[in-house]
Amino acid sequence: DAGVIQSPRHEVTEMGQEVTLRCKPISGHNSLFWYRQTMMRGLELLIYFNNNVPIDDSGMPEDRFSAKMPNASFSTLKIQPSEPRDSAVYFCASRASGITDTQYFGPGTRLTVL
Amino acid sequence: GEDVEQSLFLSVREGDSSVINCTYTDSSSTYLYWYKQEPGAGLQLLTYIFSNMDMKQDQRLTVLLNKKDKHLSLRIADTQTGDSAIYFCARAPPTSGTYKYIFGTGTRLKVLA
Repeated sequence: DAGVIQSPRHEVTEMGQEVTLRCKPISGHNSLFWYRQTMMRGLELLIYFNNNVPIDDSGMPEDRFSAKMPNASFSTLKIQPSEPRDSAVYFCASRASGITDTQYFGPGTRLTVL
Repeated sequence: GEDVEQSLFLSVREGDSSVINCTYTDSSSTYLYWYKQEPGAGLQLLTYIFSNMDMKQDQRLTVLLNKKDKHLSLRIADTQTGDSAIYFCARAPPTSGTYKYIFGTGTRLKVLA
């Protein structure tokens, strides 16, 4: 398996622009997580999907952030409008129903908002 | 509480053993994990241990779990320069299938040649 795939790997944009981050989970995994990693706050859970349905989006910082999972193999995280404080590394992780509850992380998207 | 704590830095010489420690406050988790993050990369699962185990060994890696003291450690034998990275411990949510994992702040391991 290719693992969790994220694109783009790097994104540089200007304040006010729309940013869309993409994630393809591991085939057969039914849970998907979006995290944000910063030096100051560490790893923060933004949103959790189970069977394509958003279960908890309480970690989404503001209404500028939105996430969708139209099918089992694709999810997006959108920031509109972007702000410099959104600069961070965004990770997608997926998990299969099973006995180890193990999350598998993608390589991340490093976002820089100027 | 839901804290998972790790020391921030560890420096060892190549060929020595490294021991990375983690303490946690909530003992209800079923699984505890160790992840490795290299620069510019995601979190790579190294190993996990079930809460009813005391030890797990996987090649150069040994995980020790002291449930009484709520202490988890990762020992890397014969540490190599390629082991330089940030190591995160994490615990699974107390109920299987739920979603709130708790991650430590990460320990930055530097291996000196």
